[in-house]
Amino acid sequence: EAQVTQNPRYLITVTGKKLTVTCSQNMNHEYMSWYRQDPGLGLRQIYYSMNVEVTDKGDVPEGYKVSRKEKRNFPLILESPSPNQTSLYFCASRNLVDTQYFGPGTRLTVL
Amino acid sequence: AQSVAQPEDQVNVAEGNPLTVKCTYSVSGNPYLFWYVQYPNRGLQFLLKYITGDNLVKGSYGFEAEFNKSQTSFHLKKPSALVSDSALYFCAVRDMGVTGGGNKLTFGTGTQLKVEL
Repeated sequence: EAQVTQNPRYLITVTGKKLTVTCSQNMNHEYMSWYRQDPGLGLRQIYYSMNVEVTDKGDVPEGYKVSRKEKRNFPLILESPSPNQTSLYFCASRNLVDTQYFGPGTRLTVL
Repeated sequence: AQSVAQPEDQVNVAEGNPLTVKCTYSVSGNPYLFWYVQYPNRGLQFLLKYITGDNLVKGSYGFEAEFNKSQTSFHLKKPSALVSDSALYFCAVRDMGVTGGGNKLTFGTGTQLKVEL
């Protein structure tokens, strides 16, 4: 089954404690992205990747890092999380003109 | 810069009545337009897209959308709403007129659709 998986689905952490949210897709898609969803703001792109070792900033990259060492994986790293990063995070993948497929989401709370 | 506007935070409609969820966009080149739906505690699901060709696009679950270039709109429609259509709907645009524009998908703020008996 074609899918995008994210882990963990729920995470509560404290300010400053480094965390990683994993994302994996099994569709051999070149493009992958991370979004955050906040009430009244819709989805905003954090980072995207056009292929292995090729990443670029989206609209709200501050406080986040990503890496793309393998085509299927695109982890999101928060080196020093802060409360304003409390949000719902979605990973997504697509081919050049294809539909974007979203993961189930990761609900992060930073205390 | 590309942008999407969904002017209504919420749309209420009675079951069996037609529904419209509005979306307008702004791009510098040709737009690729998308509608996604989000059910509670779920990720976004693709409904339909406009890339080129016929201005009326048909998608999943009986939804359709009409691309109107002069009005820069891409409204989502369904002839007969169901209670199960109640969800959060997002319009999104990709601006193919800018270098690397195909990499960025910009979403609207979402419209909550509530279908009542």
